[in-house]
Amino acid sequence: GQQLNQSPQSMFIQEGEDVSMNCTSSSIFNTWLWYKQDPGEGPVLLIALYKAGELTSNGRLTAQFGITRKDSFLNISASIPSDVGIYFCAGRHCTFGVYTGANSKLTFGKGITLSVRP
Amino acid sequence: KAGVTQTPRYLIKTRGQQVTLSCSPISGHRSVSWYQQTPGQGLQFLFEYFSETQRNKGNFPGRFSGRQFSNSRSEMNVSTLELGDSALYLCASSLVSGGLTDTQYFGPGTRLTVL
Repeated sequence: GQQLNQSPQSMFIQEGEDVSMNCTSSSIFNTWLWYKQDPGEGPVLLIALYKAGELTSNGRLTAQFGITRKDSFLNISASIPSDVGIYFCAGRHCTFGVYTGANSKLTFGKGITLSVRP
Repeated sequence: KAGVTQTPRYLIKTRGQQVTLSCSPISGHRSVSWYQQTPGQGLQFLFEYFSETQRNKGNFPGRFSGRQFSNSRSEMNVSTLELGDSALYLCASSLVSGGLTDTQYFGPGTRLTVL
């Protein structure tokens, strides 16, 4: 199935450094979401973006919804050891059917594994 | 407010068996989506239910099915299990289906191992 492009697969940074992650697609999305997943757990929502050009922060995290609606980035500033995990971007289409009303599904990137060296 | 809960957390089955997984959404949420996560394919959308109706379906064989009850709880069933069905099955809930600012919240997942 269709997936979003996230690369590289792994990133290694030093504690205190900033890190940026990019997510691109050949399709337009109505919503961009960033999730973090720890081993053995489900993804936890970090930031949700609903409008092209929107820039949203959540503590040390900042994310932007690309103007073309085909990309998004996530920035983590002053990284700490607990930032370790897998970061997924997800895009959402909304489609409307005459009889079924609105429905939606999330399309995910393959994730970036972030390691933070103390 | 309690989060999304999934039961069981871990399951071991053998090829050919069938399995049923359960998901209870966040209180007040009416939409439930199911995803399969594997190392090779990542997170893949299975299906979405809203008001007891399947609203959207991913590209999975008919062995994968689901349903939603009037209290919004959902179950998914996999029949005739294959080795490749080993995965983390995640359930996500949202208030409605496709709302412009609606967001999906995930449960911890059920780890299914097929031997």
